[in-house]
Amino acid sequence: GQNIDQPTEMTATEGAIVQINCTYQTSGFNGLFWYQQHAGEAPTFLSYNVLDGLEEKGRFSSFLSRSKGYSYLLLKELQMKDSASYLCAVPNDYKLSFGAGTTVTVRA
Amino acid sequence: KAGVTQTPRYLIKTRGQQVTLSCSPISGHRSVSWYQQTPGQGLQFLFEYFSETQRNKGNFPGRFSGRQFSNSRSEMNVSTLELGDSALYLCASSLSHGSTEAFFGQGTRLTVV
Repeated sequence: GQNIDQPTEMTATEGAIVQINCTYQTSGFNGLFWYQQHAGEAPTFLSYNVLDGLEEKGRFSSFLSRSKGYSYLLLKELQMKDSASYLCAVPNDYKLSFGAGTTVTVRA
Repeated sequence: KAGVTQTPRYLIKTRGQQVTLSCSPISGHRSVSWYQQTPGQGLQFLFEYFSETQRNKGNFPGRFSGRQFSNSRSEMNVSTLELGDSALYLCASSLSHGSTEAFFGQGTRLTVV
């Protein structure tokens, strides 16, 4: 089975940087996803890492270390619209197993 | 290209009733997965359908069932509703069985009273 852990909540100020960590234990590894979910809306795809290292996409970057079972999502130059829940997920047996999600609150 | 469409968006039912939720995947996508999202449990996998067949099932009681039609649209049914079934039910559309990328619909918010 899967065991995926991420912090419950994080708060940061506009313009700052926030790093959301995710640790996982899985019987087989087929990559790791990050999704963003605003309240009352669908989760939207942010990133997919299958190889070790950092992948940058504009203000958002995602890092993976397979040997450590660890990933993080880095949000730079935070904006108010980044206030949302961020979900870490690993695919296994043709389904996604999700962490509980990290609620990020951006303050002015 | 239209996204994943779930209907209805909101639903209120009483205990003991049954409910049917609908999901239309992205055009050309043939795999549909269903998830339940609650504040306490997060996103939990219910089942996946591909080519009108259930390919994968999560750890939910038999009251939760689903089906997929030849046009890839899917429905899920919950019978004998319980208060604990109150949740956001999300449908995810993928190109094929085993595709890693999934696109989510807006969800159906079910409240059981």
